[in-house]
Amino acid sequence: DTAVSQTPKYLVTQMGNDKSIKCEQNLGHDTMYWYKQDSKKFLKIMFSYNNKELIINETVPNRFSPKSPDKAHLNLHINSLELGDSAVYFCASSQDVRVSYNEQFFGPGTRLTVL
Amino acid sequence: GIQVEQSPPDLILQEGANSTLRCNFSDSVNNLQWFHQNPWGQLINLFYIPSGTKQNGRLSATTVATERYSLLYISSSQTTDSGVYFCAVTSGNTPLVFGKGTRLSVIA
Repeated sequence: DTAVSQTPKYLVTQMGNDKSIKCEQNLGHDTMYWYKQDSKKFLKIMFSYNNKELIINETVPNRFSPKSPDKAHLNLHINSLELGDSAVYFCASSQDVRVSYNEQFFGPGTRLTVL
Repeated sequence: GIQVEQSPPDLILQEGANSTLRCNFSDSVNNLQWFHQNPWGQLINLFYIPSGTKQNGRLSATTVATERYSLLYISSSQTTDSGVYFCAVTSGNTPLVFGKGTRLSVIA
């Protein structure tokens, strides 16, 4: 069974469109994250949710809106897609509300290409 | 915020060779993880090692927290070891901060 799963794996879309990426974890973890990996492979935190509540929101445009319907799911909705949004987006989870102490586990990534 | 530097940035090995990858960090850490990103893009957890030494097969890692560095050892490298190796840390209440990675190519 996949611990952290994301859908879709690939997403190709036109500029200006709105798209969503879904993430689910079956580890029973309380905390979930979204990371962005740019074309130079640099990975950076975007958001973190603990038990459905936003706890980390790095400097990310308002066009990005995370939604957590329950603690096992954290979805990422992106409005008005731009060329610069092209990247690989990773979802991750960890066990505890003490964000900094626990091992994080990553999903397989979603490669978003904006044309 | 905390800075994470990895070296070398690129490494080419002959199959069967050994290597050491280094991760330096600028402050005390709560969490340190090593990841392998394979050529298909998957991020695979290798070690959770805020301090001490761990071994898993041909891989081992050592973190000397007081001196602010961690080392990842790869012995008897195989072509399947190719990819990018990331070190990532948390410090205080910071989220996981990644280094820029070491790109490893193992050639047969």
